[in-house]
Amino acid sequence: QVQLQQSGPGLVRPSRTLSLTCAISGDSVSSNSAAWNWIRQSPSRGLEWLGRTYYRSKWSTEYALSVQSRITIHPDTSKNQFSLQLTSVTPEDTAVYYCSRDDFTTGAALDYWGQGTLVTVSS
Amino acid sequence: DIQMTQSPSSLSASVGDRVTITCRASQGISRYLNWYQQKPGKAPKLLIYAASSLQSGVPSRFSGSGSGTHFTLIISSLQPEDSATYFCQQSQGTFGGGTKVEIK
Repeated sequence: QVQLQQSGPGLVRPSRTLSLTCAISGDSVSSNSAAWNWIRQSPSRGLEWLGRTYYRSKWSTEYALSVQSRITIHPDTSKNQFSLQLTSVTPEDTAVYYCSRDDFTTGAALDYWGQGTLVTVSS
Repeated sequence: DIQMTQSPSSLSASVGDRVTITCRASQGISRYLNWYQQKPGKAPKLLIYAASSLQSGVPSRFSGSGSGTHFTLIISSLQPEDSATYFCQQSQGTFGGGTKVEIK
C-alpha cells in the first residue's frame, strides 16, 4: 500500500519561498512507472495541477504554465521523497497543497494522495 | 492549456436515482480522462481512469464513458455515502470545476 506523508510550514510570508516535502512509503521515487505530483486547491482557483517529477532512465520534470517561472519539484532518492518549492509567493498562493502519485498502469491518473497541507501566505 | 468544463455545478437527487455528470474538454484528449470524488476535508479519491476503467475498490455503480471532448460519469443508483464533489481531470493536467452532489 502506497502512503504519502506531507510536511512543511502552514504559514509563509509574502515574497518568500514555499517549501513542502512528501515522504513516500510502499513505492520508490525512482520507480520507472510512477510520477510524483503536486496539486493545490483553493476556493478561487479550484484544483490546480502544479507539476511532477519522474524517472525514466533519467530524471524529468513537467510544470504548469501558470507557475512555471516560480516552481521547482525535486526528488530525493536518499530519503525516498520529493519536494515542492514555490518562490515569490503572494496571497493568491494560499491553498491546500497535495502531493500525489500517478502511475502508468492507471493511465497517469492520480491514484494515491497525501493528506494535504493548508498553506497560508500572509504577513 | 486545455480547459475542462463540468456540468452541472451542483445537483440534488434522491437515494436510488441515476445521476449523470458531464465533462467537456476544449480540445480532443482521446480517453485521457479521470474522475475523482472528494469529501469535505479529504483528498480527492480516484474513481475512474482512462475514461471508463473502474479503479480497484470502487463500487460498480460508478461508471464512465466518452472520448475526444465529451465524457460522462454515471452513478447508477445513488447512495447516501455518494454525497461529495466530483471532479474530472485530463491526465497530467487540468481539472474541471467540480460537481457537488447532494442527497435530497
